[in-house]
Amino acid sequence: DTGVSQDPRHKITKRGQNVTFRCDPISEHNRLYWYRQTLGQGPEFLTYFQNEAQLEKSRLLSDRFSAERPKGSFSTLEIQRTEQGDSAMYLCASSFRQVRDTEAFFGQGTRLTVV
Amino acid sequence: AQRVTQPEKLLSVFKGAPVELKCNYSYSGSPELFWYVQYSRQRLQLLLRHISRESIKGFTADLNKGETSFHLKKPFAQEEDSAMYYCALSGYSGNTPLVFGKGTRLSVIA
Repeated sequence: DTGVSQDPRHKITKRGQNVTFRCDPISEHNRLYWYRQTLGQGPEFLTYFQNEAQLEKSRLLSDRFSAERPKGSFSTLEIQRTEQGDSAMYLCASSFRQVRDTEAFFGQGTRLTVV
Repeated sequence: AQRVTQPEKLLSVFKGAPVELKCNYSYSGSPELFWYVQYSRQRLQLLLRHISRESIKGFTADLNKGETSFHLKKPFAQEEDSAMYYCALSGYSGNTPLVFGKGTRLSVIA
């Protein structure tokens, strides 16, 4: 599968623990996005990168959240001191931007459950 | 503020009947509009974008700037169309992240 891959697919953690998710985009894509999706809602934008630069962060992204894309390839999303409200599906997407964006391709997501 | 509204959470139609999934948006400027679809146990994928003006799997959508709408239509629904449909927008030439609506679940009854 040469699409966007996310790891792990599922994560159950205790409240207060830290978790880290990984996203591997399509190899030639220079843009990478993180979204969060809760039940009954559409995906909500968290943050995005162009190459290794983090260009925008949503107000949804509290100080407990941090994202990196160290070499402009894969990205990690870390949540510190998890809370029950963090339980959601975390989606990663990638696209190629030159003059305009190509379509965004999504991964299958990481489902986080905080107990 | 950018906003996408999909007024129907669930839409049930009989096979062969016409389908219209509604989408209204709020955006100051020239947005790009998209429809994404998620079939059961599959990842979210692009169905169509307004600049392409294509018909994909029999679906079409026309951007109506006067009514700020981008409704998705298909003249004859098929059972395999049953899925979750999300309307989304981004800024001109896709230069801003996608903003999604809450989605509409389409159920096509045989």
